[in-house]
Amino acid sequence: SQTIHQWPATLVQPVGSPLSLECTVEGTSNPNLYWYRQAAGRGLQLLFYSVGIGQISSEVPQNLSASRPQDRQFILSSKKLLLSDSGFYLCAWSVRGLSTQYFGPGTRLTVL
Amino acid sequence: QKEVEQNSGPLSVPEGAIASLNCTYSDRGSQSFFWYRQYSGKSPELIMSIYSNGDKEDGRFTAQLNKASQYVSLLIRDSQPSDSATYLCAVKGSGTASKLTFGTGTRLQVTL
Repeated sequence: SQTIHQWPATLVQPVGSPLSLECTVEGTSNPNLYWYRQAAGRGLQLLFYSVGIGQISSEVPQNLSASRPQDRQFILSSKKLLLSDSGFYLCAWSVRGLSTQYFGPGTRLTVL
Repeated sequence: QKEVEQNSGPLSVPEGAIASLNCTYSDRGSQSFFWYRQYSGKSPELIMSIYSNGDKEDGRFTAQLNKASQYVSLLIRDSQPSDSATYLCAVKGSGTASKLTFGTGTRLQVTL
């Protein structure tokens, strides 16, 4: 069966510090991968998605970037965090070509 | 801007009753529809998917789709306190690869 991992689970960072969140998927090959952010009391906002190694599509201009160095690894980064980057970050995967998405446990980021 | 609209709630139903959750979408070419359940502080988990007009049943859950009215609903029969959560509607629009657009969710409270 497929499993998706995210770490860390929670993170408190000062404004201006860098960020690296990691997501890995097990039990599948060539997945589509997605990064979402869910701000408090708001819906899921798609940040990035990837259909393959090194292939990243950005959905909204922002302070974040994403990379996919390996088939089942997706990384979300920032060079300098802003207060507005606080939120619940979710990684999701889907079978290539299908639209059903499955979410990881998420990382709760607080920027102070 | 492709939109997915949900009443934020809270929707309060007594234990044992039927909970009816509704969702409308703006993209008439939308192809696939999903319901996710999200407990407070947790990541969304897939409940059901529906692709064709009509009803789809899975245990206590029934998804209903009406593409002409651009409307999808989720019925929960014999509601239990454990069903108390936020329910997210997600839609795969036309020409959007495997990307989903999420509604902001309806919070359901099942009372004893």
